[in-house]
Amino acid sequence: GENVEQHPSTLSVQEGDSAVIKCTYSDSASNYFPWYKQELGKRPQLIIDIRSNVGEKKDQRIAVTLNKTAKHFSLHITETQPEDSAVYFCAASTGATSGTYKYIFGTGTRLKVLA
Amino acid sequence: DAGVIQSPRHEVTEMGQEVTLRCKPISGHNSLFWYRQTMMRGLELLIYFNNNVPIDDSGMPEDRFSAKMPNASFSTLKIQPSEPRDSAVYFCASSLDLAWTDTQYFGPGTRLTVL
Repeated sequence: GENVEQHPSTLSVQEGDSAVIKCTYSDSASNYFPWYKQELGKRPQLIIDIRSNVGEKKDQRIAVTLNKTAKHFSLHITETQPEDSAVYFCAASTGATSGTYKYIFGTGTRLKVLA
Repeated sequence: DAGVIQSPRHEVTEMGQEVTLRCKPISGHNSLFWYRQTMMRGLELLIYFNNNVPIDDSGMPEDRFSAKMPNASFSTLKIQPSEPRDSAVYFCASSLDLAWTDTQYFGPGTRLTVL
């Protein structure tokens, strides 16, 4: 089955710097990759996603890149702010070809933005 | 839009007791997912339903866990008997359907503590 690895597990950056979180997946049939942000004590919320037919997607300070050949995708946050501090989860969705729909989540990255 | 609703938000119980967690998906959503989140194992998919029918329960850890969805607007996750290792945050999520790009929206979670 699908396996998603996420690195790093913790990341500290200075306010204004960029942060990059990387995920790799094992199932080449995975074709949808959402990213969720979870603030302390709150629910995971979708912040950006990318489909397998797209190499990059950007939304203001957040961007996601996908390399299907290497089976990895990354979240990039530029000009980080204290409110970006949270746990970020990547996920890979199987289903378009297998018929079994699931999100497989990475283990999360705790991002701390230092003021 | 009220979003996904879960109750209770916090549950403290003693080992051996029955625990029932409840979820109301977003109106019009046909798919519902139950997740468990712990520090050690991250976000684990337990079971998911489509049109009130369980599709995949391979993530349910033991026979002590059961889930039902009697109608489109209500689902329960039951643990009987509960054990201390069941302590976790249980999230319910819903999506429009099982199309591979349908976003999953999470509820606020139920924090379960089994003493």
